[in-house]
Amino acid sequence: DIQMTQSPSSLSASVGDRVTITCQASQDISDYLNWYQKKPGKAPKLLIYGASHLETGVPPRFSGGGSGTDFTFIITSLQPEDIATYYCQQYESLPYAFGQGTKLEIK
Amino acid sequence: QVQLQQWGAGLLKPSETLSLTCAVYGGSFSNYYWTWIRQTPGKGLEWIGEINHSGSTNCHPSLKSRVTISVDTSKNQFSLKLSSVTAADMAVYYCARGRVWGDPYFYFVMDVWGQGTTVIVSS
Repeated sequence: DIQMTQSPSSLSASVGDRVTITCQASQDISDYLNWYQKKPGKAPKLLIYGASHLETGVPPRFSGGGSGTDFTFIITSLQPEDIATYYCQQYESLPYAFGQGTKLEIK
Repeated sequence: QVQLQQWGAGLLKPSETLSLTCAVYGGSFSNYYWTWIRQTPGKGLEWIGEINHSGSTNCHPSLKSRVTISVDTSKNQFSLKLSSVTAADMAVYYCARGRVWGDPYFYFVMDVWGQGTTVIVSS
């Protein structure tokens, strides 16, 4: 099974900051990677698919990149409504796997 | 606009069988992978398994011996059964729509989700 490792596990930043989250796959997954946002009491929301493609309706301050085993997720200017936990998820092979999550807090 | 609505028992005793159903409203039931995911405090999000409209399933190897995923195309519903539950199965369970497109390079996303069901296992 492919393992996904995110870092950091938690992050505190100020409104307007640039935030970067990394995700590493245990083997080459090309760019078969998605990013989701999870708020308490809400279902996960798809933000980025195929490593770098912005889902329709998602603000452009969110972006993703990378390929192979190393990926990044960036929020260019953090907004209060971005407080959530973010997960990467690989779909290169079954079983699909998520990273352990990065909890983002406002400083 | 597609919506998923899920329901099922939220309080179980150890060794009982978890049973959840998810109904699909407002969209096609074909050509998607109907998926179950859970969120546990310890493991975060975990993919449980999926089924297509033809009834073909894939399940997480760690749960495969206890999981049954089924589909009722006449009702646009799919269901999850997880047998012999323990405290480790306590989680919020979500149903979701898996969408695949592209050839030869493909994309796969879980883009529509149910509201979640909290499952507690306690004697």
